[in-house]
Amino acid sequence: GQQLNQSPQSMFIQEGEDVSMNCTSSSIFNTWLWYKQDPGEGPVLLIALYKAGELTSNGRLTAQFGITRKDSFLNISASIPSDVGIYFCAGVSNTGNQFYFGTGTSLTVIP
Amino acid sequence: EAGVTQFPSHSVIEKGQTVTLRCDPISGHDNLYWYRRVMGKEIKFLLHFVKESKQDESGMPNNRFLAERTGGTYSTLKVQPAELEDSGVYFCASSQDRASGRRYNEQFFGPGTRLTVL
Repeated sequence: GQQLNQSPQSMFIQEGEDVSMNCTSSSIFNTWLWYKQDPGEGPVLLIALYKAGELTSNGRLTAQFGITRKDSFLNISASIPSDVGIYFCAGVSNTGNQFYFGTGTSLTVIP
Repeated sequence: EAGVTQFPSHSVIEKGQTVTLRCDPISGHDNLYWYRRVMGKEIKFLLHFVKESKQDESGMPNNRFLAERTGGTYSTLKVQPAELEDSGVYFCASSQDRASGRRYNEQFFGPGTRLTVL
């Protein structure tokens, strides 16, 4: 199956710092999604991107759909302790039937 | 509106035993997906139901895994007999039908079932 390379694998940052993570693929996707997983919970959708070049914000979160359609990044500004969790990117295939997830970025925010 | 629910939340079984996981999707969601995550790895697709039909089961590891969705409501995933490598967190997700447009891609996940095979 298709593989998404998500980096970094983990991050330890001070509260108030900005965070950036990204996903790359060898394949083209029509949709990129970013999810966050809190401990003991399932992933929750943060941002959905549907068009190459699209830049979308959700509060302190900003994500972009790369123009090559093979990558996406997620930025978190002014991090707070509740941002702690695992962030997953996901690409949706051209057929819309298959979702491919990255390996996750574990974020720790130090107060 | 109730979210996706999964049962049990944890299961510890011995190699060779059988385990059945259950998922109740959001009411009215035609699409139901099963995923598995092994620690530190990606969330890996297992299969996709549209109502009661299997749309895509290309991610199922082998014939020890059997998924059903009788009546197009809840789904079960049975592992029989379980092996050590089956350990991981099994997630279920659901989404609206294709007629909903972009929302079709917005999957809502359950909390997962953590399966440990000893």
